[in-house]
Amino acid sequence: DAGVIQSPRHEVTEMGQEVTLRCKPISGHDYLFWYRQTMMRGLELLIYFNNNVPIDDSGMPEDRFSAKMPNASFSTLKIQPSEPRDSAVYFCASSLVRRLSETGAYNEQFFGPGTRLTVL
Amino acid sequence: AQKITQTQPGMFVQEKEAVTLDCTYDTSDPSYGLFWYKQPSSGEMIFLIYQGSYDQQNATEGRYSLNFQKARKSANLVISASQLGDSAMYFCAMREGFSQAGTALIFGKGTTLSVSS
Repeated sequence: DAGVIQSPRHEVTEMGQEVTLRCKPISGHDYLFWYRQTMMRGLELLIYFNNNVPIDDSGMPEDRFSAKMPNASFSTLKIQPSEPRDSAVYFCASSLVRRLSETGAYNEQFFGPGTRLTVL
Repeated sequence: AQKITQTQPGMFVQEKEAVTLDCTYDTSDPSYGLFWYKQPSSGEMIFLIYQGSYDQQNATEGRYSLNFQKARKSANLVISASQLGDSAMYFCAMREGFSQAGTALIFGKGTTLSVSS
């Protein structure tokens, strides 16, 4: 299994430019999450999808951010226009209800390697 | 109020010793799950261990165990017989509500563990 795939791994762009981050979840997983990691704020959820449908986008910072999941094997996170404060590592994660214990189902989220974004 | 608190920004341990990384959480939901992830310097997030709020036994996975004290709302990670490769950032995370198995995780700020020889 290839795991969660993200591209590009590194992106350097100038303020005002459009940035598109890509994610391919693990085949068969029905949840996909986008997180952002910064030194100041740690790991924060931006948005997540279930069966390609956005469920919670309350973490999306502002209208400059948008995310899509056109099919079960692909998602994009777009920033337009980008700003220096968007510089961070962006992680994509996917999950599937893994097992049913006495406590209920739980999902282990598998993370991609992340995209390090630098906006100058 | 923070949902997940990791009070140790950095921890140091010698090889082969055990180390405990602290995590406290805050939730009013009786159903929740607690996770620990490891993030080495290469940046990837690696799942280590999971504990459900109704699990009677503390979770264990190889050298990792979770010291779950529900009344104190703590879920400390214990790493036995530390290895140099354990040097990394460790994150505690929580998911609230089992009915929403796909709900996103809430992460703590992390603890940096350094293992020396």
